[in-house]
Amino acid sequence: DQQVKQNSPSLSVQEGRISILNCDYTNSMFDYFLWYKKYPAEGPTFLISISSIKDKNEDGRFTVFLNKSAKHLSLHIVPSQPGDSAVYFCAATTSGSARQLTFGSGTQLTVLP
Amino acid sequence: NAGVTQTPKFRVLKTGQSMTLLCAQDMNHEYMYWYRQDPGMGLRLIHYSVGEGTTAKGEVPDGYNVSRLKKQNFLLGLESAAPSQTSVYFCASTLPSPPRGEQFFGPGTRLTVL
Repeated sequence: DQQVKQNSPSLSVQEGRISILNCDYTNSMFDYFLWYKKYPAEGPTFLISISSIKDKNEDGRFTVFLNKSAKHLSLHIVPSQPGDSAVYFCAATTSGSARQLTFGSGTQLTVLP
Repeated sequence: NAGVTQTPKFRVLKTGQSMTLLCAQDMNHEYMYWYRQDPGMGLRLIHYSVGEGTTAKGEVPDGYNVSRLKKQNFLLGLESAAPSQTSVYFCASTLPSPPRGEQFFGPGTRLTVL
């Protein structure tokens, strides 16, 4: 039973345009949602997160939106740059679980120059 | 600060062999984790620790053991390796209440079991 799902394995976007990555979850106990970025042969690096009590968090070119009623979150990257090409993982955690992260399967983003 | 480091980076084992993966962090984090990543899948939690001398099972613990003898180190052991344990292994660490909920990951160990 996948509690965090990323239904798009890949996404291609033109440089300068907006990239939108989506994530759905089923566990209403999650209280933090995170996005990680992963380059080949490297570990995941934290990108941005959002608390369940908020519906938007912005950090530079990256914005995460949370829709709790739909159990859906999205990551917007604007403008997209070739260096953004990587695998993006959505993850979620609860305070009572030793901060374990439950990951989605990832979306490969390719930004075309 | 080195952050989270993992040794070795690569390893090839034969079925039935044993090995230990070492994770070290220099951020004084209480919590440490071992994940595995397989193609087309996200990271899955193997074992975790909330402090020195304590460990607990995650989602996929079978075939693995762990130890946390020192706060900064978290060891993952494979007693009798199987081809199904071919994967990339990531260690992570964090505080009990990280301000952004995040964990910090090491660079990974790529393990192949023949």
